[in-house]
Amino acid sequence: QKEVEQDPGPLSVPEGAIVSLNCTYSNSAFQYFMWYRQYSRKGPELLMYTYSSGNKEDGRFTAQVDKSSKYISLFIRDSQPSDSATYLCAMMNAGGTSYGKLTFGQGTILTVHP
Amino acid sequence: KAGVTQTPRYLIKTRGQQVTLSCSPISGHRSVSWYQQTPGQGLQFLFEYFSETQRNKGNFPGRFSGRQFSNSRSEMNVSTLELGDSALYLCASSSVGDTQYFGPGTRLTVL
Repeated sequence: QKEVEQDPGPLSVPEGAIVSLNCTYSNSAFQYFMWYRQYSRKGPELLMYTYSSGNKEDGRFTAQVDKSSKYISLFIRDSQPSDSATYLCAMMNAGGTSYGKLTFGQGTILTVHP
Repeated sequence: KAGVTQTPRYLIKTRGQQVTLSCSPISGHRSVSWYQQTPGQGLQFLFEYFSETQRNKGNFPGRFSGRQFSNSRSEMNVSTLELGDSALYLCASSSVGDTQYFGPGTRLTVL
């Protein structure tokens, strides 16, 4: 079983829709949670970075972390065709033997059609 | 501030050869991590360097190695290339207490 599970999709939505992306995890030591966006043939681009449980909002993006359920979400409001990309969740322990190691989900392929 | 840069961007090698990839972190970042990305396995952690010391290593064979220089630039080396080493190799840098910022990657094709 993978430490981080993410539905690979693909997910196709119309422009303007609200998109919900989710990841579950099994390692209770994860304390830092991130969402990256990756366009084809590019490196991952950081979208959201949160510590522990709670919500964080940045423009059209909202990240939620529920550590009790080991579940994180990313919501995209008013989705645009330019949001079409692969979305990766990533998690990290706090130091110790896990220096510099992000554990990623498989990524969800999102297409927003006009 | 300039982002993470990686060179070369594309590389074609044959089985048995070795390859060296380079990464220049964001100015001021002392931690550099390397990842391998493939369609089947996704993003997998290779190793992390901080102040020229390897602090963490993923589950990859010894053919994969790296180093970091005093200016925080890092290189990774893959010896005796195999077909399965074809992948996008990503470098990410971070400062203490912050998350990782990725470069564009080096796409390695092994023939």
